[in-house]
Amino acid sequence: DVKVTQSSRYLVKRTGEKVFLECVQDMDHENMFWYRQDPGLGLRLIYFSYDVKMKEKGDIPEGYSVSREKKERFSLILESASTNQTSMYLCASSPHLMNTEAFFGQGTRLTVV
Amino acid sequence: ILNVEQSPQSLHVQEGDSTNFTCSFPSSNFYALHWYRWETAKSPEALFVMTLNGDEKKKGRISATLNTKEGYSYLYIKGSQPEDSATYLCAWGNTGKLIFGQGTTLQVKP
Repeated sequence: DVKVTQSSRYLVKRTGEKVFLECVQDMDHENMFWYRQDPGLGLRLIYFSYDVKMKEKGDIPEGYSVSREKKERFSLILESASTNQTSMYLCASSPHLMNTEAFFGQGTRLTVV
Repeated sequence: ILNVEQSPQSLHVQEGDSTNFTCSFPSSNFYALHWYRWETAKSPEALFVMTLNGDEKKKGRISATLNTKEGYSYLYIKGSQPEDSATYLCAWGNTGKLIFGQGTTLQVKP
């Protein structure tokens, strides 16, 4: 069974903390994505990566960075968490060519207080 | 920012009704159009991935069509059941990038 695993289901962090969200996939996929989901706004792309050590900004990269040191792992970093980063974060992976489906993790609900 | 738009935003139907949703996307640089179903407390799961203009795909009571020249796709559900209640997402894909619409939330009343 294919799997995309996110390290935490729920997280509560304080304003100003550095936050790491980890995502691991076991399908040898080239592409990995980080999205955030807010009511009425759908899934918005934060960052994506199409290869190890490669990263590209999505539509809302401000306040975030990413790391992809190994093919199976894609980390999202909030350098200094703020309350407007309270959200549901979803990681996904897919083969390089977009003609097959993406697979999603279970999501991390982050609350910044 | 690429715009992928879905309508309606939400839909309430009675069990047995048939329904359809629309996804519009940029027709230039098109590579693939994905449909996902997202149930509460679960991860989104793929329904269809379509790449060719005129593509039609079917899975049980759910089907989808694709028009890449005018930039739209329709998702149809025939004879809706309460278990079809979910958010349906479409996404435009192009070599490593997958951009989602805001989704259509369907509620099917028994």
